[in-house]
Amino acid sequence: DIVMTQSPVSLPVTLGQPASISCRSSQSLVFSDGNTYLNWFHQRPGLSPRRLIYMVSKRDSGVPDRFSGSGSGTDFTLKISRVEAEDVGVYYCIQTTRWPFTFGPGTKVEIK
Amino acid sequence: EVQLVESGGGLVQPGGSLRLSCAASGFSFSSYWMYWVRQVPGKDLVWVSRISSDGSSTSYADSVEGRFTISRDNAKNTLYLQMNSLRGEDTAVYYCARLDVWGQGTTVTVSS
Repeated sequence: DIVMTQSPVSLPVTLGQPASISCRSSQSLVFSDGNTYLNWFHQRPGLSPRRLIYMVSKRDSGVPDRFSGSGSGTDFTLKISRVEAEDVGVYYCIQTTRWPFTFGPGTKVEIK
Repeated sequence: EVQLVESGGGLVQPGGSLRLSCAASGFSFSSYWMYWVRQVPGKDLVWVSRISSDGSSTSYADSVEGRFTISRDNAKNTLYLQMNSLRGEDTAVYYCARLDVWGQGTTVTVSS
């Protein structure tokens, strides 16, 4: 199975300031079609996960443009340009290149 | 509005069975691969199973292979997860997902 790792585990941030989360996979996430199926999800306490980013850098409908994804191969980053109060929660990177799909352990974002 | 609504969770004794359902609406259900994901509250998310759009292809996590069966009824826009030989470690919130859209989850508790 592909192992996903994330850092940091916890990320205290100041409102209005940027935040960055790193994700690394144990194998390349490039699929045979040439695409890289790396996703970012956000889960608020008590709620279902919500997908923010797919295929490394494509934002889902309704996702604010303060969220951006980048990376390639095995190294990926999620950036929030200016953190807002609603951004608290846990962020997961998830690979859907190879079954079984696998989640990173999560990064908990909280407001300082 | 795209919506997934799970049902069928509950308390069951070890060795027992449950059938989860997921009612889909607001999209062409028969066009999408569908997934079951579970999460022990406060812990990691784990992909349980997936099924192709026409139901001809299924995959399972090693931990549930041979005990769980995923299926779908495209005429009824409904996804199912038949869970047999349940164990304590199957206790979790079970989510139905289309990858970009998730249900609210249904709780399964396996305990005597």
